[in-house]
Amino acid sequence: AAGVIQSPRHLIKEKRETATLKCYPIPRHDTVYWYQQGPGQDPQFLISFYEKMQSDKGSIPDRFSAQQFSDYHSELNMSSLELGDSALYFCASSVQGAVGANVLTFGAGSRLTVL
Amino acid sequence: DAKTTQPPSMDCAEGRAANLPCNHSTISGNEYVYWYRQIHSQGPQYIIHGLKNNETNEMASLIITEDRKSSTLILPHATLRDTAVYYCIVRYYTGNQFYFGTGTSLTVIP
Repeated sequence: AAGVIQSPRHLIKEKRETATLKCYPIPRHDTVYWYQQGPGQDPQFLISFYEKMQSDKGSIPDRFSAQQFSDYHSELNMSSLELGDSALYFCASSVQGAVGANVLTFGAGSRLTVL
Repeated sequence: DAKTTQPPSMDCAEGRAANLPCNHSTISGNEYVYWYRQIHSQGPQYIIHGLKNNETNEMASLIITEDRKSSTLILPHATLRDTAVYYCIVRYYTGNQFYFGTGTSLTVIP
């Protein structure tokens, strides 16, 4: 079965640079979620999109932005990178309004290292 | 969404049942209970979910108390590969947030 695809899997950037992470949801999934997980921490919800519109916002820094495109893939853009942005970034997808509960499926994550 | 409370860590002997508790005393009628686990730095993996009835699948069983204020995830025969952080999450099924709390780090001991 198709899973959530994230790219790149690993990314190394310098401070003050920009980075873009991509997420390709499971086919026919209409909702995408982004999470940040720092070393030794639990996943923190950043932002979600439903049908290409931002649907909810968590602890996403102002330096970060995201969008969902017409093919439902999503991109997380991070600017003015700081050392503290070094983390695993997970994307998840789901189907809204599915019969029963809305189960999220997570990707394998993108590891960002800021030097 | 309701807040959940889980013990920070637990041990379980290999081959025995692992029973992971979760308190969600402020849960409301339309909120589901979800369980996920994360094996070191991998993406969180869905285990099971339920609303009010007990549920079982090929991975685990979920027991929800009648008042729905707590639940227990049961791994019937724990293996070393079940060593992971287990998260109990409560949310509305139509919600677009999905918040992880501080889960339980389960260590399966040989």
